Amino acid sequence: DIVMTQSPLSLPVIPGEPASISCRSSQSLLYSNGYNYVDWYLQKPGKSPQLLIYLGSNRASGVPDRFSGSGSGTDFTLKISRVQADDVGVYYCMQALEIPITFGQGTRLEIK
Amino acid sequence: QVQLQESGPGLVKPSGTLSLTCSVSGDSVSSRSYFWTWMRQSPGKGLEWIGHLYSNGSTHYNPSLNSRVSLSLDTSDNSFSLRLSSSTAADTAVYYCARGWELLRTFHYWGQGISVTVSS
Repeated sequence: DIVMTQSPLSLPVIPGEPASISCRSSQSLLYSNGYNYVDWYLQKPGKSPQLLIYLGSNRASGVPDRFSGSGSGTDFTLKISRVQADDVGVYYCMQALEIPITFGQGTRLEIK
Repeated sequence: QVQLQESGPGLVKPSGTLSLTCSVSGDSVSSRSYFWTWMRQSPGKGLEWIGHLYSNGSTHYNPSLNSRVSLSLDTSDNSFSLRLSSSTAADTAVYYCARGWELLRTFHYWGQGISVTVSS
């Protein structure tokens, strides 16, 4: 199985400040078609996960442009340019290159 | 607007079979562009992919559950189902259904989740 490792696991942020979450995979997620099969999801308290970023760097419909994804191969990053109170929750990276699909442990973002 | 809604018993006895259904609206489970997925989240834990199936009936299962899990489509009802046999307390979780987009291998639409407890 591909292991997804996120850091940090807890992320306290002051509103208006930037935030960054790292995700490393145990093997490359870059497919021969040039796509990196990694997504980012946010699970708000008591809710189901919602898609933020797909294929490593593409924002899903309706996602504010202060969210951005980058990286290739085994190292990926989710950045929030200016954190808002509504951004609290647990962020997960996920790989869909190989079966079984696997998720990172999650990073809990909280407001300071 | 695509919507998915999980349904089924909230309590399952140990060694019993956990059975859930995901009803889909705004799309057809017969669509060849998507695959239909089950995931779960144990209390206080992260997300676990259970498996998914395509409109042609082909399936992929998590090897950790492979011998106990079965997914099926019901095109007449526009739904898909999960059966997990020989349930134990470790299967206690919130179960989510989701639609996967084959082209991008991503999950744009999720159900709200259903909590299932395995207990006598």
